[in-house]
Amino acid sequence: KAGVTQTPRYLIKTRGQQVTLSCSPISGHRSVSWYQQTPGQGLQFLFEYFSETQRNKGNFPGRFSGRQFSNSRSEMNVSTLELGDSALYLCASSTASGTDTQYFGPGTRLTVL
Amino acid sequence: GIQVEQSPPDLILQEGANSTLRCNFSDSVNNLQWFHQNPWGQLINLFYIPSGTKQNGRLSATTVATERYSLLYISSSQTTDSGVYFCAVDGGGNKLVFGAGTILRVKS
Repeated sequence: KAGVTQTPRYLIKTRGQQVTLSCSPISGHRSVSWYQQTPGQGLQFLFEYFSETQRNKGNFPGRFSGRQFSNSRSEMNVSTLELGDSALYLCASSTASGTDTQYFGPGTRLTVL
Repeated sequence: GIQVEQSPPDLILQEGANSTLRCNFSDSVNNLQWFHQNPWGQLINLFYIPSGTKQNGRLSATTVATERYSLLYISSSQTTDSGVYFCAVDGGGNKLVFGAGTILRVKS
């Protein structure tokens, strides 16, 4: 079974721009979660999607948004980029339940200049 | 919300040595996972262990749910074990709450 894939792997943007990151979960997994990792704040939960619906949201500003498609693939979007948005963005997939193993993709490293 | 504390924050070992990493959490959990983050940033699943004991090769883990802690044991460490080890627990729904991690350096 193929693992979780994320594209692109690396991205460089400038302040004020917007960015879209993509995540394809493991086949058969319907839940996709997004996390941000920075040296200062560690790993923080952004949001989770299940069956095209946002089921849970972390404490991030409205500039961070996401969506999920009928094939379970998910995208997250960050608008009006700030320097502090530079981070590793990780996506995780699981079947559905909160008691299930989550599998992570390789991440997208975003640098905002 | 639930709090997760990992110790030690930093660990340097000689190749071949054993180590124990600890994860304390502040509330009961239905999900606890241990991850190893490789140098490229990917989180590799080590164990899904909300309770009990599991072993996988040189690695084993024990979670004592009633006392709200989990331990990750690494035996006969190798340089390839270097990296950051994270403990994560469920914070409601499918949200994982991560500890700050333990940075492990294994020297040859």
